[in-house]
Amino acid sequence: SAVISQKPSRDICQRGTSLTIQCQVDSQVTMMFWYRQQPGQSLTLIATANQGSEATYESGFVIDKFPISRPNLTFSTLTVSNMSPEDSSIYLCSVNRRDTGELFFGEGSRLTVL
Amino acid sequence: QKEVEQDPGPLSVPEGAIVSLNCTYSNSAFQYFMWYRQYSRKGPELLMYTYSSGNKEDGRFTAQVDKSSKYISLFIRDSQPSDSATYLCAPGGNTDKLIFGTGTRLQVFP
Repeated sequence: SAVISQKPSRDICQRGTSLTIQCQVDSQVTMMFWYRQQPGQSLTLIATANQGSEATYESGFVIDKFPISRPNLTFSTLTVSNMSPEDSSIYLCSVNRRDTGELFFGEGSRLTVL
Repeated sequence: QKEVEQDPGPLSVPEGAIVSLNCTYSNSAFQYFMWYRQYSRKGPELLMYTYSSGNKEDGRFTAQVDKSSKYISLFIRDSQPSDSATYLCAPGGNTDKLIFGTGTRLQVFP
């Protein structure tokens, strides 16, 4: 398994501002995934971040709203831009084990937008 | 139709009960099936992983997959208050993506 650290663990933000979430993994991984978990909802994949290339976004998510950086094989950031109350959610970073597909998650970043 | 359907609960049972958690899925391309447990204010943690139809047992937990009916189950024997959490099923296929159910919230009371 991998140890995944996320910062911040929680934050309260004002409408219209942006917040960057950091994800650090204790080993080198090819792909990192960013998920969103809205209250009472399941985990929804936002994008897949590969080192050295642009992130791949899922339907309904765009780079302008959720820019992602992947500067090396152990680190990624997700920015939630121009936030609205609808962005209040838990944002989770994850990595997978390629041979089995198992996903390992960080503790999540709980974001509240006022 | 959603790709994965899961009753959100809450499911409330007394300590020691046998718990049955279930999911149905629609995509026959799914090849492996996972169950995650998520405690309040924590990230999901992998609980069980199965790759084929049939049963897989790990301690008090048994994962069951029926690919013919696209039905997956997680059984918890001798349930404990510490099992109180949300349980998410997550099938996956040839891609690196898992599709998560909405999760079933389980409460085990003493």
